Amino acid sequence: QSVLTQPPSASGTPGQRVTISCSGSSSNIGSYTVNWYQQFPGTAPQLLMYSNDQRPSGVPDRFSGSKSGTSASLAISGLQSEDEADYFCAAWDDSLNGPVVFGGGTKLTVL
Amino acid sequence: EVQVVESGGGLVQPGGSLRLSCAASGFPFSSYSMSWVRQAPGKGLMWVAAISGSSVTTYYAGSVKGRFTISRDNSNSTLYLQMNSLTAEDTAVYYCAKDLDDYIWGTLEYWGRGTLVTVSS
Repeated sequence: QSVLTQPPSASGTPGQRVTISCSGSSSNIGSYTVNWYQQFPGTAPQLLMYSNDQRPSGVPDRFSGSKSGTSASLAISGLQSEDEADYFCAAWDDSLNGPVVFGGGTKLTVL
Repeated sequence: EVQVVESGGGLVQPGGSLRLSCAASGFPFSSYSMSWVRQAPGKGLMWVAAISGSSVTTYYAGSVKGRFTISRDNSNSTLYLQMNSLTAEDTAVYYCAKDLDDYIWGTLEYWGRGTLVTVSS
């Protein structure tokens, strides 16, 4: 069981806006910033969002991140078929679980 | 171009040891923290260990502490993970990753393609 909780799956149709949640606690998300990773089947993860809402160069502005309290969210607007992938949140954790913890991942399906 | 390339994976018996290597290029290696992350087959990501640019600071996940050792050779731009007392639960693809900056832990900007470690008799 992962320290950060994500829904195992999410879906949407092309053009829709979807959000993926990531729930934690005061020892991780409540105190530290959140990063998001995107992983396509058979490939390595890629950094998608860092410091809650910062996009690395090359990441489309259709992707946005936010954090409130002990939860974070990744939003994808104008959903495209190539967005179908697994998404993982991560954060520093200063409890015995840490120091870096991941969510269990959310498989996004574009219908 | 930033590149990190893992090697050293393979089949090892329970209780055995293995050393993974990660050759880095395209950036000033000693100026960045580096991490290892693993992914068991069909499972999610698990952060394993990290080391600062100068090797002064290291961190380990609880499940590998005392069994795994992360180290680096800045003169050869190479990261290592020495894994001892391996169990079936350590079976995974092991990724080497470059952190966004030194002492910026867990913001993994560049990843290698991974190397598979299988622990089985």
